[in-house]
Amino acid sequence: GGIITQTPKFLIGQEGQKLTLKCQQNFNHDTMYWYRQDSGKGLRLIYYSITENDLQKGDLSEGYDASREKKSSFSLTVTSAQKNEMAVFLCASSFDRYEQYFGPGTRLTVL
Amino acid sequence: GDSVIQMQGQVTLSENDFLFINCTYSTTGYPTLFWYVQYSGEGPQLLLQVTTANNKGSSRGFEATYDKGTTSFHLQKTSVQEIDSAVYYCAMRDRTSNYQLIWGSGTKLIIKP
Repeated sequence: GGIITQTPKFLIGQEGQKLTLKCQQNFNHDTMYWYRQDSGKGLRLIYYSITENDLQKGDLSEGYDASREKKSSFSLTVTSAQKNEMAVFLCASSFDRYEQYFGPGTRLTVL
Repeated sequence: GDSVIQMQGQVTLSENDFLFINCTYSTTGYPTLFWYVQYSGEGPQLLLQVTTANNKGSSRGFEATYDKGTTSFHLQKTSVQEIDSAVYYCAMRDRTSNYQLIWGSGTKLIIKP
């Protein structure tokens, strides 16, 4: 088995601030994903990465940057946090296109 | 565009009740369909998936049948327990990018003790 670790668990920022969320996986999976989860809505894909140094935009990439530094880690940056923004950011990984395994999430609050 | 629709935002049942959660999809072809479950404080985890039209998937007492005629993939369980309280997501593999999933909005299941 393996595990996905997301840090921090809770992130509080100020409007306009650049904020970075981190994700680590030890499944040795090639593909990693970042999703945003808003209350009452489905998961929306922000970025995904098929392999180290690869980046693919999802439907919600505007306002975000991502970086796949190595196979086991995938970072997401909120380039300019918006006031009253509150969501959970979920990281996932998969072997190729198969089952996605999710981390517990980072809960973002912008004051 | 392609979509997955879950009309029920919340379902409230008592223990041992029958569970039925609606899911319909819209796309061309025959995509792989999924049910994911998310327990409080955790990320979603795969509950079951079906790749072939008209097949049934099952796991942990849950079942879903891939009905290409009605483009539905409803989730059922004969007798729910309190531990089944969670949010259930229906999802479909995107036909334009096999790495992406198209997600329904989720159905929160509350089981009264």
